[in-house]
Amino acid sequence: DVQLVQSGAEVKQPGQSLKISCKTSGYSFSNYWIGWVRQLPGKGPEWMTVIYPGDSDTRYNPSFQGHVTISADKSNTTVYLQWSSLKASDSAIYFCARQRGYLSYFDSWGQGTLVTVSS
Amino acid sequence: EIVLTQSPDTLSLSPGERATLSCRASQSLNRNCLVWYQQKPGQAPRLIIFAISARAPGIPDRFSASGSGTDFTLTINRLEPEDFAVYYCQQCADSLTFGQGTKVEV
Repeated sequence: DVQLVQSGAEVKQPGQSLKISCKTSGYSFSNYWIGWVRQLPGKGPEWMTVIYPGDSDTRYNPSFQGHVTISADKSNTTVYLQWSSLKASDSAIYFCARQRGYLSYFDSWGQGTLVTVSS
Repeated sequence: EIVLTQSPDTLSLSPGERATLSCRASQSLNRNCLVWYQQKPGQAPRLIIFAISARAPGIPDRFSASGSGTDFTLTINRLEPEDFAVYYCQQCADSLTFGQGTKVEV
């Protein structure tokens, strides 16, 4: 079974850094794109970024480029999303999800990580 | 960026009724990359339809979808209690964008 298991909820202050994770299993990690999706309360999801672990090719939604960084570790089949300086507006639920291609849909999802940024 | 607008925002129906959800794109999709997800409170979205009209594995045949160009429809025949949820459309013809969602409620 394909599984994506995300790290737990985080509470941070503005300006702090954060790295959340998405541990995958049940399929060939190097051969599928993994993306991150943000969902604000009561809103539709927003695609943020995606990585192809096979060669670390990455793409970003221009709305998020420069504010987040995606990375992958093939040795432990895990994908990460990190911020160097959080803002209150980053408070949201973040999902990782497997993509069938760079321009494609999401066929398996993690359970979500709630990030709260507050002073 | 292609904007997807879903209607209605909320659909109030009873079990056994048919739900018809609409998703309109701001420009014609030049690839058949329009999908639908179901999301229940506290859960991740779940893929139900891909490539405009193909049901994802395990999705019952009361779910069907169609469309082309800029107008797409998801139909749920004979609503079951577990179908009450929020439904999102997503396009992948030009970057990746989602609609704002339609809530199907009792």
